[in-house]
Amino acid sequence: SQQGEEDPQALSIQEGENATMNCSYKTSINNLQWYRQNSGRGLVHLILIRSNEREKHSGRLRVTLDTSKKSSSLLITASRAADTASYFCATDGNDYKLSFGAGTTVTVRA
Amino acid sequence: EAGVTQFPSHSVIEKGQTVTLRCDPISGHDNLYWYRRVMGKEIKFLLHFVKESKQDESGMPNNRFLAERTGGTYSTLKVQPAELEDSGVYFCASSQGNGGEQFFGPGTRLTVL
Repeated sequence: SQQGEEDPQALSIQEGENATMNCSYKTSINNLQWYRQNSGRGLVHLILIRSNEREKHSGRLRVTLDTSKKSSSLLITASRAADTASYFCATDGNDYKLSFGAGTTVTVRA
Repeated sequence: EAGVTQFPSHSVIEKGQTVTLRCDPISGHDNLYWYRRVMGKEIKFLLHFVKESKQDESGMPNNRFLAERTGGTYSTLKVQPAELEDSGVYFCASSQGNGGEQFFGPGTRLTVL
């Protein structure tokens, strides 16, 4: 069964704006990871946040994790055309296999 | 440092044929995973190797799929015989330890006609 669910399914923003997407999951986790997939290409690892962490930054990315609500958010600040992609959250538990959501498709308009 | 590589990038075969996908993990990564995304669905786990041993193969859809990792380096995923519903993108990922970042390859797009 699907563990992570991203919201919204699609997002269209103007270059320079911020993009926020959310991920909810159902069972307890060890880590939550965010990935990006540009059209027709592989998954690029963006950031990993552990279950005992609440916030993490990497460049223009900010990830939060609320284990009490079983949810995470990914914020991309000052978006660029190159940020146009699909974004996935993936969770892992004690079995280490990743469970993915359906993804959020982000389009950044020039 | 080279990332995870997969071969081929695309494969088009007819129903009933056999296809073998290859994955070369990042050097030194003991953990190797296979995932796939079939049309319109989310990315799903297939199996997990630790070195040459299958740690978890709970996601393998049926016995037409066979994964190997002889020697604990590269891995192959064979589909025999292929069916239409096997079409999708097959991803391989590797990680250094359990519970760390999993780094994905570019995927193999499999089309079964």
